Amino acid sequence: RKEVEQDPGPFNVPEGATVAFNCTYSNSASQSFFWYRQDCRKEPKLLMSVYSSGNEDGRFTAQLNRASQYISLLIRDSKLSDSATYLCVVVGSGNTGKLIFGQGTTLQVKP
Amino acid sequence: DAGVTQSPTHLIKTRGQHVTLRCSPISGHKSVSWYQQVLGQGPQFIFQYYEKEERGRGNFPDRFSARQFPNYSSELNVNALLLGDSALYLCASSLGQIQETQYFGPGTRLLVL
Repeated sequence: RKEVEQDPGPFNVPEGATVAFNCTYSNSASQSFFWYRQDCRKEPKLLMSVYSSGNEDGRFTAQLNRASQYISLLIRDSKLSDSATYLCVVVGSGNTGKLIFGQGTTLQVKP
Repeated sequence: DAGVTQSPTHLIKTRGQHVTLRCSPISGHKSVSWYQQVLGQGPQFIFQYYEKEERGRGNFPDRFSARQFPNYSSELNVNALLLGDSALYLCASSLGQIQETQYFGPGTRLLVL
């Protein structure tokens, strides 16, 4: 079983739609979680951290369910510029900053 | 402020050759991590260096090695290149060793023929 699993998609949605991505992780000891965004042939960029209490940044909402070991990202009112790959990231346990990435979920927002 | 920089941006090598990739972290950052991203997959952790010492190693063969210099820049070396080493190699820097946000450079795209 992969340490971080995501549905690769692609998710094709019209502008203005609401779309949700989920991710599961295997290590119950994991403490820190992130969503990164990666545009085609570019580096990953931090989108947002994920907290147990949930957090929101504009049109983006991230949620963490520790009991089910699952992380979600909700995008409301999708824009064309939201088209990208969204990477679910878990910080590895132990004394390193190792980031464990999911495969990524591809979103294509269409006019 | 300059972000993470990497060189070269692109590289073509043949099987069996050796390659050195370079990374300069954000000013003030002391930790550098290396990741390999093959097409269609998320990045895979190769190494972390903090204060010039290796602090973590991923599941990569001994052909992969790295080091960090006193100015916190880093090199990733790959010997005896295989076709499967073709990938985007990403460097990420962070202030500290753990639980710190990592910022990625633009990557080096390596093609092994």
